[in-house]
Amino acid sequence: QSVLTQPPSVSGAPGQRVSISCTGSSSNIGTGYDVHWYQQFPGTAPKVLIYGNSNRPSGVPDRFSGSKSGTSASLAITGLQAEDEADYYCQSYDRNLSGSNYVFGTGTKVTVL
Amino acid sequence: QVQLVESGGGVVQPGRSLRLSCAASGFTFSNYDMDWVRQAPGKGLEWVAVILYDGSNNYYADSVKGRFTISRDNSKNTLYLQMNSLRAEDTAVYYCAKNLASNRGGYFDYWGQGTLVTVSS
Repeated sequence: QSVLTQPPSVSGAPGQRVSISCTGSSSNIGTGYDVHWYQQFPGTAPKVLIYGNSNRPSGVPDRFSGSKSGTSASLAITGLQAEDEADYYCQSYDRNLSGSNYVFGTGTKVTVL
Repeated sequence: QVQLVESGGGVVQPGRSLRLSCAASGFTFSNYDMDWVRQAPGKGLEWVAVILYDGSNNYYADSVKGRFTISRDNSKNTLYLQMNSLRAEDTAVYYCAKNLASNRGGYFDYWGQGTLVTVSS
């Protein structure tokens, strides 16, 4: 049971902008823990896309951007391209009465129409 | 370049044990926390366990606590996951991941290719 909620799917035409939400709570994102985003193609390992809420590793195109506010975060893809069709996961850290651990979002499949 | 290569996956009967390994290269292994993350077929990512850079502490997801043990050998640049009392719901691809920890929560900057564990009679 993921503690970070994402929409199951989003879609858009090439060139459009799409956004993926990641909703958490006061025990994770709302506490101030960073949010990170991963891209995963079928049959391959995830790759970090955004770290520390809004930072892109070298090699990640600037059409990918991240933001965080309150208990939520968002990943935006502007100028959607066919090769962006993949699964996307947010990730943060959660601290509650039963302990602390890393948590992932439920995942979002991006489809390019 | 950073490389993480998992091994040890396979088919195992419920209740039996399996040990996964992850050979690391291309970075100073003993300087970084390391994690295991799994993904059941057709499902999302689930964090499993973390071990601190010097092996002094480890933490587990509730779903594996008491059954799985994460360990490391810094002299061999290798991470391990001992999995006991395996259940059908442990069936997944298991990834090892390098952890860039911080006081704002860490993230996984490099991942292995994964190794498939299937628990079935």
